[in-house]
Amino acid sequence: GQQVMQIPQYQHVQEGEDFTTYCNSSTTLSNIQWYKQRPGGHPVFLIQLVKSGEVKKQKRLTFQFGEAKKNSSLHITATQTTDVGTYFCAGLDAGGTSYGKLTFGQGTILTVHP
Amino acid sequence: ETGVTQSPTHLIKTRGQQVTLRCSSQSGHNTVSWYQQALGQGPQFIFQYYREEENGRGNFPPRFSGLQFPNYSSELNVNALELDDSALYLCASSDSGYTEAFFGQGTRLTVV
Repeated sequence: GQQVMQIPQYQHVQEGEDFTTYCNSSTTLSNIQWYKQRPGGHPVFLIQLVKSGEVKKQKRLTFQFGEAKKNSSLHITATQTTDVGTYFCAGLDAGGTSYGKLTFGQGTILTVHP
Repeated sequence: ETGVTQSPTHLIKTRGQQVTLRCSSQSGHNTVSWYQQALGQGPQFIFQYYREEENGRGNFPPRFSGLQFPNYSSELNVNALELDDSALYLCASSDSGYTEAFFGQGTRLTVV
């Protein structure tokens, strides 16, 4: 079945440093979504990428979708303590499914030291 | 907040018992998906309901079952609970299976 791998598992940064997490799928995706989960909280939708090579920005966050629609990245510029949490990518398989089963990566836990 | 509500928020059950978790979807959303999130892991897809019909299922045994009601709220039922069923159970609603999912706060199930 489809697998989504995410690296790194953990990232510790000083406030103001940049942060990047990478996501790779074993199959081609119809789209990829990114979620943030604060400690003790639930996943909160950040963005959805649909087109091959797509790049989207939200303030300090930049999201990319690979040309082959099998990989994606999230980059945060100048991290702040409010960025703390676990960042998940979640892919929708492009092959043959008739429903929107999201396959989540295992997440990257980001800690930011002030 | 998302408008997706789950109940109860926490639950402790004994191995072998049965449990029902409930989810009220966001207004206007006809699709509800259920996920299991073990500690330190990403959410794992259990199944999805679309307009009261099961619309897809992940790799979970038949003792995991569900329902969706005409108002699009949903239930997750787990029979013969096992210790490994201890997890955060998340409900997510969307206006189709292919758009952003709005998650509820989850039900933390502990099986002892």
